[in-house]
Order: sequence, then structure tokens, then C-alpha cells
Amino acid sequence: DTGVSQDPRHKITKRGQNVTFRCDPISEHNRLYWYRQTLGQGPEFLTYFQNEAQLEKSRLLSDRFSAERPKGSFSTLEIQRTEQGDSAMYLCASSPYDGTNYGYTFGSGTRLTVV
Amino acid sequence: AQSVSQHNHHVILSEAASLELGCNYSYGGTVNLFWYVQYPGQHLQLLLKYFSGDPLVKGIKGFEAEFIKSKFSFNLRKPSVQWSDTAEYFCAVNRANKIIFGKGTRLHILP
Repeated sequence: DTGVSQDPRHKITKRGQNVTFRCDPISEHNRLYWYRQTLGQGPEFLTYFQNEAQLEKSRLLSDRFSAERPKGSFSTLEIQRTEQGDSAMYLCASSPYDGTNYGYTFGSGTRLTVV
Repeated sequence: AQSVSQHNHHVILSEAASLELGCNYSYGGTVNLFWYVQYPGQHLQLLLKYFSGDPLVKGIKGFEAEFIKSKFSFNLRKPSVQWSDTAEYFCAVNRANKIIFGKGTRLHILP
């Protein structure tokens, strides 16, 4: 499978715990994006990388959130001290250098439930 | 505020009916426009895109969309829907190196 892979598919955690999600983009894509989607909403931009450089972070990304892409390949998104409001689907997408004309390829997402 | 607006949150049609889903955006200047589809239990997939040239673009599965610059619109159409078109449809605009999505339209096709 040469698509975008996300792991895990589902995560249930207790409030206050830390969680980490992983995204493996399409290998030749050097841009990687994280989005969050809640019920009844479209995907909301969180952050994106070009290779290993994190170029933009949304105001939605509080200090409890951190994302890395250490070698310009896979990426991780960590949420510290989770809150119930963090419950959502976390989507990863990748694109070639300039995503404007191509659109993104999305993974299946990680569904986070904070109890 | 700059945004992408989808007019209908939930649409119900019978098979063979014609479909038009509205989308308006509020960004000025050059835009790249997309429609994504999310079938039940599946990931988001690109349905079609517009970035220049012919304002009528054709996508997969018989879908098309028309870019009308003067109306800031990019409506999605299909002449005859099928039960398998049941899905959620998202209009999106590329701005400042990221894609901004509308809230989506949930389409339900009755067999």
C-alpha cells in the first residue's frame, strides 16, 4: 500500500494522559499536514511540514500539542494532558512540494476519544 | 471572516435524480478549488480540482464542478446520482499553502 498510513486507528485515553499518533506519508511527498475533524465539521488545519521543517501552526494547536517530523519522513503528533475537548478524528495528509495544484492524499485518520 | 461555505448540510435524493451542491468562498485573488468526498468508513478522497483554464472541470464517477469567479462559487453537479454516491462532500480552497475546508454536505441517496 503506497497511501498515507496512520497509527493507531482508534485511541481511547483517560483525561490527563498523553497520547502520540504516527503518520507515514507517501514516500515521495515532502509536505505533510495534520488536520482535526469533529462531528459536523470539515477538517481543520493544525500544522504542516516541508521535509523536516514545521512551517506553520494553527492557533488551534495549543501548547499541549506538539508535532515532529524528524527525518522528513514519518511524523508524530503528541497531545499532552488530554482533555475531553481533544476528542476528534486526527487526519494526516501529504502532497508533493507544492500542494496547491494537486490536492492532498489523506490517511484514514486516528480517532481519539478522551474519557 | 474568510471562509468556505457549503449551503446544504444534509441532502436526500432518490436514485437517478440530479445533484447540485453549492459552495462559495470568500477569498480574493487566485484560488485553487477542490471537492473531496468521504464515503462511509473511508478516508477523504479527491473528487476533482480546479486551478486554471476551463472553469468546468470533470472529476471521477461522473461528477463535475463549475468555477464562476464573479460569484465566488464552485458548485458540484452530477446529472444522475446512484445509491453508491451516499457520502459526505467537502468543498475546499487552497490558501497560503494549506487547504481550507467547508463544513461538508452529507448526501443520502435513497434506493
